[in-house]
Amino acid sequence: EAAVTQSPRSKVAVTGGKVTLSCHQTNNHDYMYWYRQDTGHGLRLIHYSYVADSTEKGDIPDGYKASRPSQENFSLILELASLSQTAVYFCASSGRASAETLYFGSGTRLTVL
Amino acid sequence: GDQVEQSPSALSLHEGTGSALRCNFTTTMRAVQWFQQNSRGSLINLFYLASGTKENGRLKSTFNSKESYSTLHIRDAQLEDSGTYFCAAGLGTGNYKYVFGAGTRLKVIA
Repeated sequence: EAAVTQSPRSKVAVTGGKVTLSCHQTNNHDYMYWYRQDTGHGLRLIHYSYVADSTEKGDIPDGYKASRPSQENFSLILELASLSQTAVYFCASSGRASAETLYFGSGTRLTVL
Repeated sequence: GDQVEQSPSALSLHEGTGSALRCNFTTTMRAVQWFQQNSRGSLINLFYLASGTKENGRLKSTFNSKESYSTLHIRDAQLEDSGTYFCAAGLGTGNYKYVFGAGTRLKVIA
């Protein structure tokens, strides 16, 4: 079973502050993703990556940056956190895009005050 | 517009009964995945399908790419089946994204 670990599990940030969410996977997957879930809604793709040192924009990239320093690690960075970025953030990985199961981390609950 | 439409948005089942959840796609999809989000918020893999039907215990899923839909059948529902069920559709060749539906909130009643 693929293992995807997110940290922190929850975080409270102040408006305008910098937030970094981390994701680590141990299954040698090429593809990693960051999704955002708002209460009562589905998941929306923020950024993804299919190789180390490269990231791609998803459907809602504004206000977010991503970093993939190695195959195992994928970070989501909010340079200037805003109230509208309060949400639960999920990291996922897969062996090949659109061809294998997505494995999700447990999520990070971010509250921006 | 939305590429993945899930129905129903909410559903209540008595224990021991069953029902079907559906996802309709507005464009050609290569594959579909189904997930259950439990009360703790964790997303649990249920099925990955590129075509055809898969079954696992009390769950069965079908993906019809030509007619652009997928279904998830639940039979003999149990209390632990409660949660939100999401389908995620994989777009065509060269596209690395999965598009999620808005989910079906299932409540199983004793």
